[in-house]
Amino acid sequence: QSVLTQPPSASGTPGQRVTISCSGSNSNIGSNALSWHQQVPGTAPKLLIYSNNQRPSGVPDRFSGSKSGTSASLAIGGLQSEDEADYYCASWDDSLNGWVFGAGTKLTVL
Amino acid sequence: QEHLVESGGGVVQPGSSLRLSCVASGFTFSNFGMHWVRQAPGKGLDWVSLIWHDGSNRYYAASAKGRFTISRDNSENTVYLQMNSLRAEDTAIYFCVSDYDILSGRYMRFAFWGQGTLVTVSS
Repeated sequence: QSVLTQPPSASGTPGQRVTISCSGSNSNIGSNALSWHQQVPGTAPKLLIYSNNQRPSGVPDRFSGSKSGTSASLAIGGLQSEDEADYYCASWDDSLNGWVFGAGTKLTVL
Repeated sequence: QEHLVESGGGVVQPGSSLRLSCVASGFTFSNFGMHWVRQAPGKGLDWVSLIWHDGSNRYYAASAKGRFTISRDNSENTVYLQMNSLRAEDTAIYFCVSDYDILSGRYMRFAFWGQGTLVTVSS
């Protein structure tokens, strides 16, 4: 049971906009920055968003992150077939004195 | 091009020890903290440990505390994870991952990932 709660699955059709949520508490999302990671099965994860809403170079601007209070969300616009992957949120937790990941959301492009 | 290569995984019996290594190239290793993150078969990502860029601070997940030790050698661009008293539930792919560059001014954590090394704990 992760301290960061994500929906287990999400889906959309090509071209659609999809959002994935990540819910936490004051000890993690509420007081620390959040990152998002994409993992295509069988490969290493890839950083999509850091510091809540910053994109590393090379990440398309179709991917955007936002945070409000103890919740955050990842939005993917103009959905493409290659976006089919698992998505994880991550944050530092002040109570645990360590990093925590959400359990992951499996995105299916229909 | 940033590159992280893990090694040291294998099949061991419960109660055994194993030392994982991760060699970095393509970036100034001594500027970056380093994490170990694991992923059990078919499961999600699970943070294990973090060591600061200069080794002055180390953090562990509750599951690793007292059994695992993270260390680094900046002269060899290498980070290690010594794992003792291994349990079946430690079976996972172990990824070496960068923390942020202390000189960059950007908190771009978890930017560089290795391909992982598989640890299997089984009798």
